[in-house]
Amino acid sequence: AQKITQTQPGMFVQEKEAVTLDCTYDTSDPSYGLFWYKQPSSGEMIFLIYQGSYDQQNATEGRYSLNFQKARKSANLVISASQLGDSAMYFCAMRDPVSGGYQKVTFGTGTKLQVIP
Amino acid sequence: EAGVVQSPRYKIIEKKQPVAFWCNPISGHNTLYWYRQNLGQGPELLIRYENEEAVDDSQLPKDRFSAERLKGVDSTLKIQPAELGDSAVYLCASSFTYDSYEQYFGPGTRLTVT
Repeated sequence: AQKITQTQPGMFVQEKEAVTLDCTYDTSDPSYGLFWYKQPSSGEMIFLIYQGSYDQQNATEGRYSLNFQKARKSANLVISASQLGDSAMYFCAMRDPVSGGYQKVTFGTGTKLQVIP
Repeated sequence: EAGVVQSPRYKIIEKKQPVAFWCNPISGHNTLYWYRQNLGQGPELLIRYENEEAVDDSQLPKDRFSAERLKGVDSTLKIQPAELGDSAVYLCASSFTYDSYEQYFGPGTRLTVT
């Protein structure tokens, strides 16, 4: 089974509107972390937001918030008030323990977001 | 503060040729990662270093790939010989420790094997 699933290959959003990018994950370990990264056309991965599995509240960072639904194993990214500069690929990722006692980060396949003026 | 530096940014080689990528992490970051990102996919971890020690190289194709991180600072990833399927973007990232949840990525090296 895929550890991270992003079912939306591409999304469009009108400038100044909010958009939700979907992410579901699969792990049997109670301790894990969830991330979102942005990758503009320049290629560099930019960290956006982090949610720990034991965090009680949804993470927020400026216009980014993570809608964490533990029972559903979903970690959707919400971008409020979209800007043209938000056009990029967005990757969901999870860090969970693997054999050997350390943690490994697995990325999803990404969602390409295009903001329309 | 300088970010993660990678060179070269682009490389085109013929199959069976060797190639090397260089990465200089953020100063003070003990953990260094090499990822490969195929077109239309997310990054996949190739190897992770804690200081000089490679602690996770389970996804590194050891018959043709090698990596080193001498002195626990900058790192080199080598492919010899390259195959057509190695065409991808090779990303380097670093973090303060392996517990740090934020990884800082470099701009990547886009490799094209013809």
